[in-house]
Amino acid sequence: GQQLNQSPQSMFIQEGEDVSMNCTSSSIFNTWLWYKQDPGEGPVLLIALYKAGELTSNGRLTAQFGITRKDSFLNISASIPSDVGIYFCAGQMEYGNKLVFGAGTILRVKS
Amino acid sequence: DGGITQSPKYLFRKEGQNVTLSCEQNLNHDAMYWYRQDPGQGLRLIYYSQIVNDFQKGDIAEGYSVSREKKESFPLTVTSAQKNPTAFYLCASSSNYRVYNSPLHFGNGTRLTVT
Repeated sequence: GQQLNQSPQSMFIQEGEDVSMNCTSSSIFNTWLWYKQDPGEGPVLLIALYKAGELTSNGRLTAQFGITRKDSFLNISASIPSDVGIYFCAGQMEYGNKLVFGAGTILRVKS
Repeated sequence: DGGITQSPKYLFRKEGQNVTLSCEQNLNHDAMYWYRQDPGQGLRLIYYSQIVNDFQKGDIAEGYSVSREKKESFPLTVTSAQKNPTAFYLCASSSNYRVYNSPLHFGNGTRLTVT
């Protein structure tokens, strides 16, 4: 099946630092989504991107849809302890709503 | 509040037994999905349903079955044919399968342990 390469696999950062993670694919996607999952819970949608080159913010989070439509990145500015969790990227093909998920980035924050 | 409810939160079964996981949504969404999550892996699609009385296999459907008799409900049965059933199962829904800008919303999952 389709593959999404998400990196880094994990991050352990100091509170207040900025965070950057990205997803790449060999395939073109029509939509990129970023989700956050807390332990034992379901993923929650953070940002949805629908257009190549689109840059969207949600509070301290900023995500971009790559121009080639094969990648996306998520930045978190001034991290806080509640940012800990697993962040997933997901790509959607042109027709239908079947998502392909990255393996996730585990974020830990030292206060 | 609208949302997706999965029950139970934790489920324990003996090997060889079938087990059904419940998923109910009151978002009036047409499409529903079941994903499986294993440690260190992305979510993998088991089955999805675009509309009532319709469902299609996802990437890892073997050993699972579903039904969609009501718009609000999409139960998943893990059968004894599933070789490695212990996992975290996530149900999701979206307003429409065909419209690309209708992102998936997830329930809080059911952790199934088979011994």
